[in-house]
Amino acid sequence: KAGVTQTPRYLIKTRGQQVTLSCSPISGHRSVSWYQQTPGQGLQFLFEYFSETQRNKGNFPGRFSGRQFSNSRSEMNVSTLELGDSALYLCASSTGTGELFFGEGSRLTVL
Amino acid sequence: KNEVEQSPQNLTAQEGEFITINCSYSVGISALHWLQQHPGGGIVSLFMLSSGKKKHGRLIATINIQEKHSSLHITASHPRDSAVYICAAPLNYGGSQGNLIFGKGTKLSVKP
Repeated sequence: KAGVTQTPRYLIKTRGQQVTLSCSPISGHRSVSWYQQTPGQGLQFLFEYFSETQRNKGNFPGRFSGRQFSNSRSEMNVSTLELGDSALYLCASSTGTGELFFGEGSRLTVL
Repeated sequence: KNEVEQSPQNLTAQEGEFITINCSYSVGISALHWLQQHPGGGIVSLFMLSSGKKKHGRLIATINIQEKHSSLHITASHPRDSAVYICAAPLNYGGSQGNLIFGKGTKLSVKP
């Protein structure tokens, strides 16, 4: 059974650009959550989607957005990138039992 | 304020030693996650527990919901256990599974 797949794994952008990250959950998992990890703030919850609906959103500005498709794949978008957005972005999928399965992450560098 | 505190922040052990990492939280929760992160960045879920104790191989996790405290133990530690261990508490708003607050992690280094 394939794990959680995140693409791209690494990317470099410049300030002001936008970026879209993708997360394909484990087959059958309907819940996808996104997290940001930085050296200063550690891991922080971004948002969670379940059956194409945003269930919860963390304390991040409106530049951070996401969506989930009918096949449960999810994307997150960050617009008008800032240097502080440089981070490892992780997604996790869940069956709904609470157990989470994480992807390898997308490492974003903003120059 | 919802908080999850971990200790110690850094831990160096000799191969074979018994290791304990502690996690305390201020939120009312129904379960707690223990996660492992290797240098490459990927995270593996070790345990999700809501009461008592769970064991998987050389890893044991315990939780006391009333005292809001959990511990992760590693018996007979090995260099391959070197990683960052993170505890996380779900806030469970609206049935959410992924809305977690995280501890800052414990960086474990096991020397041969």
